[in-house]
Amino acid sequence: DAGVTQSPTHLIKTRGQQVTLRCSPKSGHDTVSWYQQALGQGPQFIFQYYEEEERQRGNFPDRFSGHQFPNYSSELNVNALLLGDSALYLCASRRWTGQQETQYFGPGTRLLVL
Amino acid sequence: DAKTTQPTSMDCAEGRAANLPCNHSTISGNEYVYWYRQIHSQGPQYIIHGLKNNETNEMASLIITEDRKSSTLILPHATLRDTAVYYCIVRVLDFGNEKLTFGTGTRLTIIP
Repeated sequence: DAGVTQSPTHLIKTRGQQVTLRCSPKSGHDTVSWYQQALGQGPQFIFQYYEEEERQRGNFPDRFSGHQFPNYSSELNVNALLLGDSALYLCASRRWTGQQETQYFGPGTRLLVL
Repeated sequence: DAKTTQPTSMDCAEGRAANLPCNHSTISGNEYVYWYRQIHSQGPQYIIHGLKNNETNEMASLIITEDRKSSTLILPHATLRDTAVYYCIVRVLDFGNEKLTFGTGTRLTIIP
């Protein structure tokens, strides 16, 4: 049973460029959340997708956008990259139920903006 | 979600029990306590969670005080592979509230 997978593992971009990161949730999971983790900090919630819609959003600008596909996989897009966007980007998935379901994280994509 | 307070760092000898404390004095009755850990440059790994009863699984035990204002994660026989940053998080079960609010966690170092 594959866990959460993310691609690519590492990425280097320059200021002003755009980037797309990808996430495949754990088998049986239908909800995907994205987090940004700057060096030395805990992960910060960006947004969460369920049924192909953004359901909740953290305190991130509109440059950060996402998408969820019918197979539950997800993309995170960041436009007009800034140096401060350099971070580890984490994807987490869970099943959407009425119970307390645990979120499981992928290994992350490390983005460096030069 | 309630705020948590954890020590910045701790050391523990290999083979001994590691006890990681967490304060969550403003926790609400419907908020769960979750523990994750993050080994260097990897994604956070789920460890355990609980509401008010003590919990145990193959990785750890979670002890929650009766007033629920603090908890302790116990790794019974620490190994070098347990060196990581440990995050204590409280969150409410709320449809549509997916956010896990991470602090800076406790950096646990297991000493050989």
